Amino acid sequence: KAGVTQTPRYLIKTRGQQVTLSCSPISGHRSVSWYQQTPGQGLQFLFEYFSETQRNKGNFPGRFSGRQFSNSRSEMNVSTLELGDSALYLCASSRELSGNNSPLHFGNGTRLTVT
Amino acid sequence: GQQLNQSPQSMFIQEGEDVSMNCTSSSIFNTWLWYKQDPGEGPVLLIALYKAGELTSNGRLTAQFGITRKDSFLNISASIPSDVGIYFCAVLSYNTDKLIFGTGTRLQVFP
Repeated sequence: KAGVTQTPRYLIKTRGQQVTLSCSPISGHRSVSWYQQTPGQGLQFLFEYFSETQRNKGNFPGRFSGRQFSNSRSEMNVSTLELGDSALYLCASSRELSGNNSPLHFGNGTRLTVT
Repeated sequence: GQQLNQSPQSMFIQEGEDVSMNCTSSSIFNTWLWYKQDPGEGPVLLIALYKAGELTSNGRLTAQFGITRKDSFLNISASIPSDVGIYFCAVLSYNTDKLIFGTGTRLQVFP
C-alpha cells in the first residue's frame, strides 16, 4: 500500500514569490494535515482538511492556505514568500479526523528554501 | 499555550546501550504518542498510549503513559545504529483536536 506522497521533494524560491505543495494521502484516508518543521520551532501545525473542508487551523498568517480535493489529495499554498518560510513542510494523512484517535501517517516532506 | 518539554535534547550513545527519554507537560492529556524521524524522512508512529499508567512495547521499544497524565517516557533497549534519528513525543490537545509535538530528542548511536 503506497504511503503518503509529497511533491516536489525540494524547492527553491525567492522572496515575494508564491509556492504550491502537493500531497497525496494513503488510499482510504480522508484527513490530511500539514505541518511546518524548522530547527528552531520544531513541528508546528498548519491546518487539517477533511472531506474538502478545513477543520482545524494553526497559528500561521493568511499567506498560508490550503485546499483538499474530492479524491482527498491536498495542496498548500504560501504566497509572498519570506526568508523565514524556509522549512520542511510535512503532510500527514489519517483515516478519520486526527482528534478521533486516528494515527497520523507522514510523508517525507517538501524542503522549501527561500532566498 | 500548551507545551511539551522533551529531554534530553540530544544523546550520544554506544551501540548496545539502553536509552531513556521523557516528555512532560503542565497540562493533562488523554493520548500520548511517540514518533521517530529518520534523516530526510517524515516522522513514523512508534507507540500510541491511550490510558494513564499504560505500558506498551514495540520490539525493543517500551513506552509508558504517566499516571498523572502529564508525562510519558520512551525506552530503547540494546540500541543499534538504525535507531539513529529524532524521537518526538506528541499529545492530542483536547480543546483544539490537533497534535502538539515535543521539541524532539536527537539520538546518535556509535558502533
